[in-house]
Amino acid sequence: DIQVTQSPSSLSASVGDRVTITCQASQDISNSLNWYQQKPGKAPKLLIYDASNLETGVPSRFSGSGSGTSFTFTISSLQPEDIATYYCQQYDDLPSLTFGGGTTLEIK
Amino acid sequence: QVQLMESGGGVVQPGKSLRLSCAASGITFSTYGMHWVRQAPGKGLEWVAVIGPDGSQKHYSASVRGRFTISRDNFMTTLYLQMNSLRAEDTAVYYCATSPPYKQWLDYWGQGILFTVSS
Repeated sequence: DIQVTQSPSSLSASVGDRVTITCQASQDISNSLNWYQQKPGKAPKLLIYDASNLETGVPSRFSGSGSGTSFTFTISSLQPEDIATYYCQQYDDLPSLTFGGGTTLEIK
Repeated sequence: QVQLMESGGGVVQPGKSLRLSCAASGITFSTYGMHWVRQAPGKGLEWVAVIGPDGSQKHYSASVRGRFTISRDNFMTTLYLQMNSLRAEDTAVYYCATSPPYKQWLDYWGQGILFTVSS
């Protein structure tokens, strides 16, 4: 089974900061990685698919990059409404999907 | 507007059974793969099961295989999860979610339903 290790598990940053979250896959998964945002008490929301494609309607301050085993999710300028937990999810090991452990983002 | 509405949660004793439902609207249901994803209290997301658009292909995580059964009714645009031999560790919020045709991301999610396995 492919494992995805997400880091950090928690992060505190100031409004306007650039924020970066990483996901490391246990083997080469090409670009088979998605990113989700989950606000407290809410369902997850798709932000990025296929490693770097922005879902329709998602603000452009969110971006994703990477391929192979190393992936990065970036918020270019943190906004107060971005407070949430972020998850990566790989799908190279179909039909199973695997989520990373999550990164909880707080405002400093 | 896409809506996914889970139902069937509650409290159930260990070893018992429960069926969750997810009623879909606003999408061409029969073209989407459908998933169940769960989240134990205070924990991360765990993928549970998937069923293909026509219901012929079904796959499960190792933690539920042999105990849970995913099914769908394309006429009623409803997804189901039959859960048997329930354990305390199955306690979670369960989300249904869609994956677009031939795609492997989860683009629409229900609001989630909590059920608790407890004696």
